[in-house]
Amino acid sequence: KQEVTQIPAALSVPEGENLVLNCSFTDSAIYNLQWFRQDPGKGLTSLLLIQSSQREQTSGRLNASLDKSSGRSTLYIAASQPGDSATYLCAVRLVNQAGTALIFGKGTTLSVSS
Amino acid sequence: EPEVTQTPSHQVTQMGQEVILRCVPISNHLYFYWYRQILGQKVEFLVSFYNNEISEKSEIFDDQFSVERPDGSNFTLKIRSTKLEDSAMYFCASRKTAGGSYNEQFFGPGTRLTVL
Repeated sequence: KQEVTQIPAALSVPEGENLVLNCSFTDSAIYNLQWFRQDPGKGLTSLLLIQSSQREQTSGRLNASLDKSSGRSTLYIAASQPGDSATYLCAVRLVNQAGTALIFGKGTTLSVSS
Repeated sequence: EPEVTQTPSHQVTQMGQEVILRCVPISNHLYFYWYRQILGQKVEFLVSFYNNEISEKSEIFDDQFSVERPDGSNFTLKIRSTKLEDSAMYFCASRKTAGGSYNEQFFGPGTRLTVL
């Protein structure tokens, strides 16, 4: 059964720092991996989607990498800002299933202080 | 920019009552999903829907749950007889089609369901 783990569970950094969030998954047979942002009590905002054939995706200050063989993905946030404070979730879609459900990690809660 | 919308934002109900949660997916999307998130826990998949039928469901999605696309725009989740443990945030999501970036799932803001 696919398990998605995110480390650390919480992270506090000063504004301007570059940081890395980690996501690991137990079954490397994934179709794609998606990173989301969730603000308290709110919905999920899609940040980046990486296909299984890709190594990384970039959007603005965000860069997500994927190493499928080792079951790992990282989300790199450059020059962090207080507005980046939120919970970041990663989710994978498996290859070996009929449907297209996403399996989520529990998230990393990021706090950026000014 | 098109977005998934959900109503109501918060629903309070008594145990044993029926609730219907409503979603309007992005208009040209073909795949629809319901997920839920119990407070402090992971987001969990409930069901996926394509071509007017359920394509996949999780163990959570038992006989108390049903989904429907009653018209060309709405997608609903019905819980027939709510239990205390159904209290959670329910998210609707949609996806355009298969292939490449179209695999991206877009989520709505959620409906917070509180069962008393």
